[in-house]
Amino acid sequence: AQSVTQLDSQVPVFEEAPVELRCNYSSSVSVYLFWYVQYPNQGLQLLLKYLSGSTLVKSINGFEAEFNKSQTSFHLRKPSVHISDTAEYFCAVSRYSSASKIIFGSGTRLSIRP
Amino acid sequence: EAGVAQSPRYKIIEKRQSVAFWCNPISGHATLYWYQQILGQGPKLLIQFQNNGVVDDSQLPKDRFSAERLKGVDSTLKIQPAKLEDSAVYLCASSQNGATNEKLFFGSGTQLSVL
Repeated sequence: AQSVTQLDSQVPVFEEAPVELRCNYSSSVSVYLFWYVQYPNQGLQLLLKYLSGSTLVKSINGFEAEFNKSQTSFHLRKPSVHISDTAEYFCAVSRYSSASKIIFGSGTRLSIRP
Repeated sequence: EAGVAQSPRYKIIEKRQSVAFWCNPISGHATLYWYQQILGQGPKLLIQFQNNGVVDDSQLPKDRFSAERLKGVDSTLKIQPAKLEDSAVYLCASSQNGATNEKLFFGSGTQLSVL
C-alpha cells in the first residue's frame, strides 16, 4: 500500500520570501502525485499533479513541484509568496492501478506574515 | 459550471444520535467519494461509488456508517449512532470516471461536532 508523509504541520514565512513544503511518499510501484490546496472556508482544490514525463510541474499561480524518484519526494516550492497563498496544502499519492485510491497526507498549514 | 454541493454546512449532535449528510456531485461525474477529515489529519476515504455501485468501502465503519447513491447522482452518508470520535469534517468529492490520475472536485464539507 502507498503512504504519504508531510513533515511540517505548519510553515510560517514572511511575504515575498521563498517557501518549500515537504512531501515524501512510499510505494513499491509507480505512482501519480498531487498537491491540493484548501483556502480558508473553501473546499480542497487541485493545485498541480505529476502523472508522467517532465519531473517538474507548475501551477498557474507560481507554485512548482519536482518528482524525485530516488528520494521518493514531491516537494512544493514557490520563490516568492503572497498573503493570498495562506492556506492548507495537502500532498496526495495514488498508484498506477484501477483499484488504487488516492491517499492524502496530513497537511501543511502555510501562514504568511506581512 | 456548478461545483460539488454539500449540506448541511455545520451540524451539532449528541452522542448516540443519528445524522445524515447530503452531496450532489458535478453533473456527469460518474464517481463520487466521501472522505472523513479529522482535525490535524488529511482526508481519509470512507467510500467510493462508481455510478450507483460501491467500488471501495474498506474504511467505512459499517456498524454505524451507511451510504447510498440512488440513481447514480446525489448521495447520502448516515451515521447511526454517532460517537464522540466521529467529530470531523465530512467531505464529498466527485471525478469524471474514477481513474486514479484524475482531478477530484471537492465540496466545502460538513463540519460535524458530536457532544
